[in-house]
Amino acid sequence: SSEVTQDPAVSVALGQTVRITCQGDSLRSYYASWYQQKPGQAPVLVSYGKHNRPSGIPDRFSGSSSGDTAFLTITGTQAEDEADYYCNCRDKTGDLLVFGGGTKLTVL
Amino acid sequence: QVLLQESGPGLVKPSGTLSLTCTVSGASIRSSYWSWIRQPPGKGLEWIGRTYHSGIINYNPSLQSRVTISLDASKNQFSLKLDSVTAADTAVYYCARIQDAEYEAAFDSWGQGTLVTISS
Repeated sequence: SSEVTQDPAVSVALGQTVRITCQGDSLRSYYASWYQQKPGQAPVLVSYGKHNRPSGIPDRFSGSSSGDTAFLTITGTQAEDEADYYCNCRDKTGDLLVFGGGTKLTVL
Repeated sequence: QVLLQESGPGLVKPSGTLSLTCTVSGASIRSSYWSWIRQPPGKGLEWIGRTYHSGIINYNPSLQSRVTISLDASKNQFSLKLDSVTAADTAVYYCARIQDAEYEAAFDSWGQGTLVTISS
């Protein structure tokens, strides 16, 4: 299966905008989904598809993509957004699923 | 609201078989794809495999030789078996529902996760 890669760590000042990236060949064909995971908790879906957000997820979270890269943008980052963020998508065959290695977001 | 609950032994001996069951409530297991995902302590998420009631099953190639996922529609459950386990299989194991569309596959509901430790 193909891989998708993420930066291990990103930091952002409180109230600022941050963009977390996910890169891989299969992202040219498929959309990424994004998950927020806080310590000791299960991941939570925050963005999926072209520009979709599950109910209950604040609108400061938005997903997008360009070429082989997907982006999760958090606008007006809050302290409670500090967490690990994972992307996932289908692999090139479409039948298998892959996760990125995760990005630890620190809010300064 | 869809709820998923993992159950099974929290301790398995090396070379043994890890067996977990996910019980789904609030949705029919015939309505979606269902998946197992694991997370070793302090590490990232790893997709294990997925199943659909029609019999479609896909596995992570890195685990395919040791893993079996099955589904029991009568009980609204699906299960995971992982053979010949080692310490490297120690992880929190999650079950999840897949919201499946042509160009995406999102895990929209997750169980709370269960820690399985491989140790003698």
